Amino acid sequence: EPEVTQTPSHQVTQMGQEVILRCVPISNHLYFYWYRQILGQKVEFLVSFYNNEISEKSEIFDDQFSVERPDGSNFTLKIRSTKLEDSAMYFCASSVGGSHYNEQFFGPGTRLTVL
Amino acid sequence: AQSVTQLGSHVSVSEGALVLLRCNYSSSVPPYLFWYVQYPNQGLQLLLKYTSAATLVKGINGFEAEFKKSETSFHLTKPSAHMSDAAEYFCAVSDPSGGSNYKLTFGKGTLLTVNP
Repeated sequence: EPEVTQTPSHQVTQMGQEVILRCVPISNHLYFYWYRQILGQKVEFLVSFYNNEISEKSEIFDDQFSVERPDGSNFTLKIRSTKLEDSAMYFCASSVGGSHYNEQFFGPGTRLTVL
Repeated sequence: AQSVTQLGSHVSVSEGALVLLRCNYSSSVPPYLFWYVQYPNQGLQLLLKYTSAATLVKGINGFEAEFKKSETSFHLTKPSAHMSDAAEYFCAVSDPSGGSNYKLTFGKGTLLTVNP
């Protein structure tokens, strides 16, 4: 069964460093998303991506964040200069189409720890 | 803005007992509603979804949920808990009044433990 994969499963970094979180969405999916979950808090939407551009972003997704689909399979989230408050579980998701009822398929997450 | 409330961050039941996980949403427009489950070290997996067809929705693993507009609720139930149901459960909504913004808004999650 096709699934969304994410690497690494756990990333530890120093404050101020750049990190890139990687995701491989399901191959025939067209919409891609990043969410994050700070420990003890809700899963929060960060950004959605379609047709090689951002379609929506939340207020969390400031200039320190960027997303890219560098080739036909990977979807990356870059944090330019990490802060302590960026420590969270980051989930990638993809869906076959753009609608409110299409299922979003989630990856297992990358736990980011900023020291 | 949409919000989702899951009452009870932790629910504990005995094997074979009824499972009831509560979810309430705030919206003037009936949203699309989802229940996801997360097993340890895995991603979020869709259990079921409400998309304005039947108000009683059946999902995988014997779970079902009923959409009640008057109560703005979408509670998840299973008649008889199994040990393998132990996981974290998330209720989520997608707001059709958000246009082409298909983001999911999640509740805080409910951790279900099943005792032998």
